[in-house]
Amino acid sequence: ILNVEQSPQSLHVQEGDSTNFTCSFPSSNFYALHWYRWETAKSPEALFVMTLNGDEKKKGRISATLNTKEGYSYLYIKGSQPEDSATYLCAPRGRRALTFGSGTRLQVQP
Amino acid sequence: NAGVTQTPKFRVLKTGQSMTLLCAQDMNHEYMYWYRQDPGMGLRLIHYSVGEGTTAKGEVPDGYNVSRLKKQNFLLGLESAAPSQTSVYFCASSRGNPSNQPQHFGDGTRLSIL
Repeated sequence: ILNVEQSPQSLHVQEGDSTNFTCSFPSSNFYALHWYRWETAKSPEALFVMTLNGDEKKKGRISATLNTKEGYSYLYIKGSQPEDSATYLCAPRGRRALTFGSGTRLQVQP
Repeated sequence: NAGVTQTPKFRVLKTGQSMTLLCAQDMNHEYMYWYRQDPGMGLRLIHYSVGEGTTAKGEVPDGYNVSRLKKQNFLLGLESAAPSQTSVYFCASSRGNPSNQPQHFGDGTRLSIL
């Protein structure tokens, strides 16, 4: 079981602001890092699966970077929109399975 | 395009009762997972399966049993429900190894044990 920390726990931003969150995890026994987006009353939806140190993924206005040596990943949202309001989960994969963080809850005010 | 379907969506049980949660996926995925989600905590893995006929324990397996008799179905059983098992249960599936395959989640089952 990995110790996964996500910060901040929650975030309120205005429409148009850019924002970023952090996921920290033990750098040993690292296999992959998943990011999921979880809207209220829906199920988690995969954003990215990252495996290589220095990896960078992008999907529209959302991007993520990975540093496996120091054990962290950043998720960036450029020009936040109200529809980006959700909880963002990270989940590193250790030897057997994913361990999910508690998430960063983002609320974007119009 | 159903994806991952969980039944039932809601259930209230009395302490000591038993029940089975059903997860069905139509994506021909090899891996299936059962998680529970409690307030203030991340999704915690209960049991998982890497293929038909196989199961393995996750982080919080006590009080639960699972079966994967068919590739498309993964059943989670509570033999004697306890109030501590009040939670929202999510099933997920992935095409292969979670090192490079994302997980697809069902809509969840809200279970209350009185």
